[in-house]
Parts: sequence; C-alpha cells; structure tokens
Amino acid sequence: DQQVKQNSPSLSVQEGRISILNCDYTNSMFDYFLWYKKYPAEGPTFLISISSIKDKNEDGRFTVFLNKSAKHLSLHIVPSQPGDSAVYFCAASGDGSSNTGKLIFGQGTTLQVKP
Amino acid sequence: NAGVTQTPKFQVLKTGQSMTLQCAQDMNHEYMSWYRQDPGMGLRLIHYSVGAGITDQGEVPNGYNVSRSTTEDFPLRLLSAAPSQTSVYFCASNQDGLLMGGYTFGSGTRLTVV
Repeated sequence: DQQVKQNSPSLSVQEGRISILNCDYTNSMFDYFLWYKKYPAEGPTFLISISSIKDKNEDGRFTVFLNKSAKHLSLHIVPSQPGDSAVYFCAASGDGSSNTGKLIFGQGTTLQVKP
Repeated sequence: NAGVTQTPKFQVLKTGQSMTLQCAQDMNHEYMSWYRQDPGMGLRLIHYSVGAGITDQGEVPNGYNVSRSTTEDFPLRLLSAAPSQTSVYFCASNQDGLLMGGYTFGSGTRLTVV
C-alpha cells in the first residue's frame, strides 16, 4: 500500500517556465512533508519542507503548497533552470503519537528542464 | 565533516552470500535510517534507529538485520543475499527526528546479487 504517491513519472519544462511537481498521500496522520532532489549516482539532498500547520513554505525559487483536505502537496520551481533537472521525491513523516523519525517516500518524478 | 559515509560503493554478491553494508556519520546525529531505491518504487525504508541501542523495522525489513551499538555507526547486514535484494542502498541520518532540514543521505551502495 503506497502511502505517498507521485503519479507523474516524468515532467519536461522549458527553461524559465514554472515546474509543478505533485504528490498525494493517504495517511491523515502525516504531519511533516519534505521534498528531496536526487542527481544520478548521488544520494538525495534535502530541498524544502512544510509542517501540517502551514499551507505554504517558500525558499527562493522553490515553494511547497500543502492541501490537507485533499491530502495533496506540490512543489513549484520558478523560474526553472537546466540545473534543476533531477529526480524529485516527496516524503512524509509522523504517526500522530510519537516522532519516530520515519520518512515514507513517493516513487519520484524525473524533471527535465530544456534550455 | 565527512557527513554520512557509506562503504562499499559497489558490490556484487552471489546468491546466499552474506555481507554488511557500512554506514557512519560524524555529525552526532541520533536518528539513522536505511533505504533501498528501486526503479518505479522510490525509496523504501528498511530499518531505522532513534539512538544507540534502539532499532526498529521499516517498510521492507525482511532479509536485513541492523544494530546500533554506537551513535556513529549503523551497519546493514544481509544474511543470505537474494537477487530480489539487488538495489541501491542509502543510509541517512538526522539530528533529532523532527526532520527540520531533513535527513542527510550518503552517496549510496549499489548492490548486485547474481
């Protein structure tokens, strides 16, 4: 049972335009969400996070939106740059009763930004 | 700081062999985890630890053992390797489990079981 889902395996956008990566989750107990970026042959690197008490968090060109009622989050990259081309994973954590530090990841979306 | 160090980077095993994937962090992080990455499956949690002497199972623990005798080290043991364990393995650590700033990942171990 996939608790965190990224239904788009790939996304291609033009340089300078907006990239929107989507993620859905099923466990309403999740209370913390993160996005990671991964280049080939490297480990994932943390990008941005959001707590369930917020609906938006910004960090430079990256903004994460959380819609708890829809159990949906999205990552917006504006403007997109060729160096943003990577695999993006969303992840969720929290079981509502204790902080176990467990992260559940989605399948990933490969973003290609064309010059 | 070296961060999270995983060894080896590449390994080929025969079915039935055992081995240990090493993971060490020098950031004095309490929380450590092991993930495997497979095509179309994303990263799946194998085992995790919230401190020395404490470990627990993740989503896909079968076939793997872990121990956490020190804060720095979190080795992953494959007792009897199977082709289904062919994957890329990532170790990660975090300061306090609140995930502020997220987990720091190692660069991975690519394991092939033939």
